[in-house]
Amino acid sequence: EAQVTQNPRYLITVTGKKLTVTCSQNMNHEYMSWYRQDPGLGLRQIYYSMNVEVTDKGDVPEGYKVSRKEKRNFPLILESPSPNQTSLYFCASSLRLYNEKLFFGSGTQLSVL
Amino acid sequence: DAKTTQPNSMESNEEEPVHLPCNHSTISGTDYIHWYRQLPSQGPEYVIHGLTSNVNNRMASLAIAEDRKSSTLILHRATLRDAAVYYCILRDLDMRFGAGTRLTVKP
Repeated sequence: EAQVTQNPRYLITVTGKKLTVTCSQNMNHEYMSWYRQDPGLGLRQIYYSMNVEVTDKGDVPEGYKVSRKEKRNFPLILESPSPNQTSLYFCASSLRLYNEKLFFGSGTQLSVL
Repeated sequence: DAKTTQPNSMESNEEEPVHLPCNHSTISGTDYIHWYRQLPSQGPEYVIHGLTSNVNNRMASLAIAEDRKSSTLILHRATLRDAAVYYCILRDLDMRFGAGTRLTVKP
């Protein structure tokens, strides 16, 4: 089944403890991106990747890192999480960019205490 | 800021058509107009997209203005399962979703 898989689904951590949220797609998609969703603010893009080893900042990249070492995986790294990064995170992918629909993962609810 | 403008909320009666508007006055010639919806506790899902011509699929229809500065998502017969937040976005590198339109469907 074609899908975008995020793990974990829920995560509670403490300030400053490095964490990684994984994202994997099995559709050979070139484009992948990360979003965070906060009440009343909609979805805001954190980082995106056009292809392997090509990443760029979205609207809210501060405090996050990403890597794209292989096509299927696009992990989101929080080196030193802070409470303001408590949010619902979504990973998305598409075959290419403009004329292709986005497939979203189920989300990761992160709480930073 | 989002590149699109949508009403915060809309209401519809079950089995009636719903027209969800979206303004995108700064659209460029290569921007595709995409619509997604997000059901409670789920990730967004694709609804429909188009460039210049009106588009139809099994879920909805997309009507695009001749000048492409606005579009309308049409749900032909709303059901209770269509209650969701609907996002209109311009498909670009930095896709900005905005807050979307929360659609309430009344029985």
